[in-house]
Amino acid sequence: DTEVTQTPKHLVMGMTNKKSLKCEQHMGHRAMYWYKQKAKKPPELMFVYSYEKLSINESVPSRFSPECPNSSLLNLHLHALQPEDSALYLCASSQRLAGGTYEQYFGPGTRLTVT
Amino acid sequence: AQSVSQHNHHVILSEAASLELGCNYSYGGTVNLFWYVQYPGQHLQLLLKYFSGDPLVKGIKGFEAEFIKSKFSFNLRKPSVQWSDTAEYFCAVKGGNKLVFGAGTILRVKS
Repeated sequence: DTEVTQTPKHLVMGMTNKKSLKCEQHMGHRAMYWYKQKAKKPPELMFVYSYEKLSINESVPSRFSPECPNSSLLNLHLHALQPEDSALYLCASSQRLAGGTYEQYFGPGTRLTVT
Repeated sequence: AQSVSQHNHHVILSEAASLELGCNYSYGGTVNLFWYVQYPGQHLQLLLKYFSGDPLVKGIKGFEAEFIKSKFSFNLRKPSVQWSDTAEYFCAVKGGNKLVFGAGTILRVKS
């Protein structure tokens, strides 16, 4: 099974709402990633977790809060977002982060609209 | 930090035409190179990858890419495209622990 699943598929939220995006993989991967993809743009890295510890934070605003409760799950908590945060949020996983050559497997994404 | 440049943003081809999409990267160390494809309404899928060894790598669906170290290039090729190849293609470079994508090339194949 080489699948990364993400829920929800679509999310509309107001600027005062709190919501969470969820990502799950059962491939035994120990590195998980959040990317943001704006329309007609490539994915941009936001966060990387390695062995459930935050390894990379690409200077993402604090209104985005990642969480990795276990090796299969990755959450992205959203609070007080701005309309410009509307985008496709992609989750990915790889066997490891470093120490070898590991490809990333991507989920289908959550299409987020902030009103 | 690494960067990736894809030369064409939009490519339109007729079925059976040959395809070559350009990709150049900038990074001072050892790189891993990838081509990902995003079909309309679908998620990113890995087409092929280069880690080491033979610089000509073959991927899924008849795609191949050649790593030319001296030119910092990793161009994607397919001898004969099909309508179903209509998609967006991203070149990506992993240097260190980060994967950086190029801007993408939208390919439209006319039937």
